[in-house]
Amino acid sequence: KQEVTQIPAALSVPEGENLVLNCSFTDSAIYNLQWFRQDPGKGLTSLLLIQSSQREQTSGRLNASLDKSSGRSTLYIAASQPGDSATYLCVFGNEKLTFGTGTRLTIIP
Amino acid sequence: DAGVIQSPRHEVTEMGQEVTLRCKPISGHDYLFWYRQTMMRGLELLIYFNNNVPIDDSGMPEDRFSAKMPNASFSTLKIQPSEPRDSAVYFCASSSSLPLMGQGYNEQFFGPGTRLTVL
Repeated sequence: KQEVTQIPAALSVPEGENLVLNCSFTDSAIYNLQWFRQDPGKGLTSLLLIQSSQREQTSGRLNASLDKSSGRSTLYIAASQPGDSATYLCVFGNEKLTFGTGTRLTIIP
Repeated sequence: DAGVIQSPRHEVTEMGQEVTLRCKPISGHDYLFWYRQTMMRGLELLIYFNNNVPIDDSGMPEDRFSAKMPNASFSTLKIQPSEPRDSAVYFCASSSSLPLMGQGYNEQFFGPGTRLTVL
């Protein structure tokens, strides 16, 4: 059974710092890896999607990487802002989507 | 487009009662997904439809759960009878395609969710 693990479960950093969120998965038969953001009481918002043939994707202050050989993906957030506070989910995609348990990020003003 | 619409946003009911959750996908999307989110298990796919036809319901926990999609703009998830362990946030999502090897896929768009509490 595919497992998607995100460590740490919670992270607090001061505003302005750069940070990295980690995601690991057990199945190498990956089609794509997607990062979502979830705000309290709300649905999920897609941030970045990396296809299996790619190694990274960038959008503004966000950069996501994919290393299929090691079963890892990272989400890098540059110059963090209080508005970045949310839960971040990585999603492993093949025939189905398997969601990680998420990292709750708090940016301290 | 208003995005994926779910109703109600909150539902509180007593054990044994029937619960019906509703979803309106984004117009033109052929795929509709129902998910359940709990603290213990995270997000789980319950069932998904393609062109109104259920394709994979292997995530539906029990016979108490059923889902229908009578037309392209409406789907329901029903729990009968409801139990306290069904308490969770239920999300509906839609997309215009599924993941394909090497080709990526159009992203899924999620609704705001329905928070269900069964007492």
